[in-house]
Amino acid sequence: DIVLTQSPATLSLSPGERATLSCRASQSVSTYLVWYQQKPGQAPRLLISDASNRATGIPARFSGSGSGTDFTLTISSLEPEDSAFYYCQQRNSWPTFGQGTKVEIK
Amino acid sequence: EVLLVESGGGLVQPGGSLRLSCTASGFPFSNYNMNWVRQAPGKGLEWVSSISSNNKSIYYADSVKGRFSISRDNAKNSLYLQMNSLRGEDTAVYYCARDDEMQFWLIDYWGQGSLVTVSS
Repeated sequence: DIVLTQSPATLSLSPGERATLSCRASQSVSTYLVWYQQKPGQAPRLLISDASNRATGIPARFSGSGSGTDFTLTISSLEPEDSAFYYCQQRNSWPTFGQGTKVEIK
Repeated sequence: EVLLVESGGGLVQPGGSLRLSCTASGFPFSNYNMNWVRQAPGKGLEWVSSISSNNKSIYYADSVKGRFSISRDNAKNSLYLQMNSLRGEDTAVYYCARDDEMQFWLIDYWGQGSLVTVSS
């Protein structure tokens, strides 16, 4: 199975700051990389599909980039409601998830 | 509005069985591939099983192969997960999840989850 490694494990930033989350694959997944947001006690929510396509209703401050093995989720200006876990998932083969990055708002 | 409602979770002893159900509404269920994804307490997400819209393609994680069985009834807008020979490591919240139309393994809607606890 393809292993996805997310970094950092935790990101602690202030409102208005830029957040950069990384997801690295153990082998190429082309652009078949998805990002989800999960808040405590809730189901995950689709943010970005296929590396860079923002899902319906997702604010423009969320953007994704990358291809092959290196991917980035950027939150351009953090809002308090962005406090959550963020997971990447590849769908190039049997789907696997990264271990998650926790974003904390100071 | 798309709704996915899971049921059937609970406490079961190791070696026991449980059947999860997911009732879908708000969309043409028979057009969509469906999935089960689980999350152990305080842990990350793990894909468990997938089934195509027409029942012709079925996939399982190695960790559940031979013990779990996914099925669907398009006439009842329902998805199922039969879980046998349950182990402690199967303890998790199990999410029913819909694939984006015409896309495999791209989840656009999730249920709220059903907790399965395997313990004596």
